[in-house]
Amino acid sequence: NAGVTQTPKFQVLKTGQSMTLQCAQDMNHEYMSWYRQDPGMGLRLIHYSVGAGITDQGEVPNGYNVSRSTTEDFPLRLLSAAPSQTSVYFCASSSHSGVTEAFFGQGTRLTVV
Amino acid sequence: SQQGEEDPQALSIQEGENATMNCSYKTSINNLQWYRQNSGRGLVHLILIRSNEREKHSGRLRVTLDTSKKSSSLLITASRAADTASYFCATDAGGANNLFFGTGTRLTVIP
Repeated sequence: NAGVTQTPKFQVLKTGQSMTLQCAQDMNHEYMSWYRQDPGMGLRLIHYSVGAGITDQGEVPNGYNVSRSTTEDFPLRLLSAAPSQTSVYFCASSSHSGVTEAFFGQGTRLTVV
Repeated sequence: SQQGEEDPQALSIQEGENATMNCSYKTSINNLQWYRQNSGRGLVHLILIRSNEREKHSGRLRVTLDTSKKSSSLLITASRAADTASYFCATDAGGANNLFFGTGTRLTVIP
């Protein structure tokens, strides 16, 4: 059971480039989310999804797009990378029924130069 | 921001000692969770306490919750070097399973 898988683990982008961070889970979880982690800031919610076809914004959505075409996958797209998007990105999933823990991927360390 | 705050930001103790971390949050909650993050890794769930619970135990972990003060504490007893990590509290104030995390406590356990 792989849990939550994120790719790539590391990425360097030039300002203005676009890219997609991939996230996949094999636990049939309805709920998936993306966070960014910056030093001294904890984790902040970017976007989330409560099921296929449904997405919504979190605390810090600007500069990011998401889609949820399947239950398993929840990619995060950076349309035009900026140095302020240098961060560690985490994908998480959880069951939407009841109160449950979240399962996190190993993270993607993104540097925008 | 709905982020909570944790105290202390960093804690260094000797192996075998107890470690206590505190978390304060801003809004009403249904539950509060604690997570551990080893360096360079993802977060791992430790324990969940519901708003109608005051204390919960899991192995060497003890969590308390005071909803009137909007605060929680995590106690790790008989610490081990392997407990060295960052610890985060997270609340569900956002709904839809959204979690709002504190700023974390970095725990170092010296062998």
